[in-house]
Amino acid sequence: KAGVTQTPRYLIKTRGQQVTLSCSPISGHRSVSWYQQTPGQGLQFLFEYFSETQRNKGNFPGRFSGRQFSNSRSEMNVSTLELGDSALYLCASSPASPGLTNYGYTFGSGTRLTVV
Amino acid sequence: AQSVTQLGSHVSVSEGALVLLRCNYSSSVPPYLFWYVQYPNQGLQLLLKYTSAATLVKGINGFEAEFKKSETSFHLTKPSAHMSDAAEYFCAVSGRGRTSYDKVIFGPGTSLSVIP
Repeated sequence: KAGVTQTPRYLIKTRGQQVTLSCSPISGHRSVSWYQQTPGQGLQFLFEYFSETQRNKGNFPGRFSGRQFSNSRSEMNVSTLELGDSALYLCASSPASPGLTNYGYTFGSGTRLTVV
Repeated sequence: AQSVTQLGSHVSVSEGALVLLRCNYSSSVPPYLFWYVQYPNQGLQLLLKYTSAATLVKGINGFEAEFKKSETSFHLTKPSAHMSDAAEYFCAVSGRGRTSYDKVIFGPGTSLSVIP
C-alpha cells in the first residue's frame, strides 16, 4: 500500500514568488491535513480538507491556501513568498472524517521549501 | 482548547538505559493522545495512541505510554534504548469529535540522543 506522497521534496524560491505543493494521500483516505514545521515554531496546523471542502483552518495569513480534488489529492499554495515561509511542509492523511480524530495521521516525507 | 507541553527539548540516554519522554496535556474533555517519531529528513510516524481503551498503551519499536488523568500526563517510555531510537518525538492531542472542528495539536518535540 503506497504511503503519502508529497512532491516536490525540495524547492527553492525567491521572495515574492508563489509556490504550489502537492500531496497524494493513502488510497481510500479522504482527509488531508497540512502542517508547517520550523525549528522555532514547531508543527503549526495550516488546514484540513475532507471531500474537497476545507473543514478547518489554522492561524495563517490568506497567502496560504489549499484545495482538494475529487480523488482526495490536495495542493497548497503560498503566494508572495516571504523569507519566513522557509519550512518543511508536511501533509498528513487520515481515513476518518473531521471530528473523528482517533485514527491518527499518516504523514508524507514533506516538502522542504527554502525562500531566498 | 487543547494544548500539549513536553518537558525537556533534548534528552540524552545511554544505550540500554530507560527512555522517558514527558508529555502533559491540557484539555477540557478527555482527549485522544498520540506519540509520533520523526527521523531526519522524514515525516512523522505514529508510535502509539490513546483513545480511551486501556490506559497503558503499547506501540511500535518497544515503546509504551500510560495515560494518567489525575496528572494530565501521557509519558512515553522504553525499557532499553537502542541507537536507532535517536530521533525527534512529538506528543499530540486532539478532541473527541464533539465538534467537527477538532484538530490535532502537536507539542514542541523532544530530541532524543542515544549515547553508545
